[in-house]
Amino acid sequence: GAGVSQTPSNKVTEKGKYVELRCDPISGHTALYWYRQSLGQGPEFLIYFQGTGAADDSGLPNDRFFAVRPEGSVSTLKIQRTERGDSAVYLCASSTGTSGFYTQYFGPGTRLTVL
Amino acid sequence: AQTVTQSQPEMSVQEAETVTLSCTYDTSENNYYLFWYKQPPSRQMILVIRQEAYKQQNATENRFSVNFQKAAKSFSLKISDSQLGDTAMYFCALLLYNQGGKLIFGQGTELSVKP
Repeated sequence: GAGVSQTPSNKVTEKGKYVELRCDPISGHTALYWYRQSLGQGPEFLIYFQGTGAADDSGLPNDRFFAVRPEGSVSTLKIQRTERGDSAVYLCASSTGTSGFYTQYFGPGTRLTVL
Repeated sequence: AQTVTQSQPEMSVQEAETVTLSCTYDTSENNYYLFWYKQPPSRQMILVIRQEAYKQQNATENRFSVNFQKAAKSFSLKISDSQLGDTAMYFCALLLYNQGGKLIFGQGTELSVKP
C-alpha cells in the first residue's frame, strides 16, 4: 500500500514569506507527527495529532509555526514570516493506535530553504 | 529531561564485516521503547529494529541485533555481514510510553560500508 507522502519535496522561499507543507499519512493511521531535522542533526519533535486534535504541540518553536489536521487525515504545517533559521527538512510520520507504542512510518520529508 | 547520545559521528566497515554503533540514553521513566532508524540519502527514515524496555531479551532482525543494557542505559546496534546498501545515517531514538509516542532522536552516526 501507499506510504506517507509529503509535498512539496523541496521548497525555496524568501525570508518573511508564508509557506505550507503537506503530509498525507498512511490510510487509517490515527496518529500523525511532525519533526524538523536540521543539517547534521537528528529529527526534533514538533507536534503530534491524534485524530483531528493536536495532542501535544510542545515542540513548536514559536507562534509562527502552526499545524492543522481538519479531517483527521491530511495535515498541513504552516510557517508564517519565515526566517533563515527555519531552513531544514520537515519530516512527517504516522502510526496506527491511540497511545503508546506503535511503529511510526516516515515520509520522505520536505526540504525547506529560506533565502 | 530525556536525552539520547550517539558518540560516534562517523564509522566505516568493510563489506561482509561486523560493526557496532553505540547509543546511550537518559530517562527517569520506566515505560519506554528504543529504536534504531536508518536514513539513506533519499531522506526516508526506515525502522531497523525496536526494543521494548520491559523485555530482557535483546531484539534481533535478520542481520541486525541490539545489545540492550537497561541499568547502564545503553542500546547498541550490531550489523553483521555488512552490505553496501547499509550505507546510511543511523539514528537511535527513545519513545516514552506516556508521552503520546513522540520520538527523541540522537545526533546520528554516519556509516559507510566499503567494498
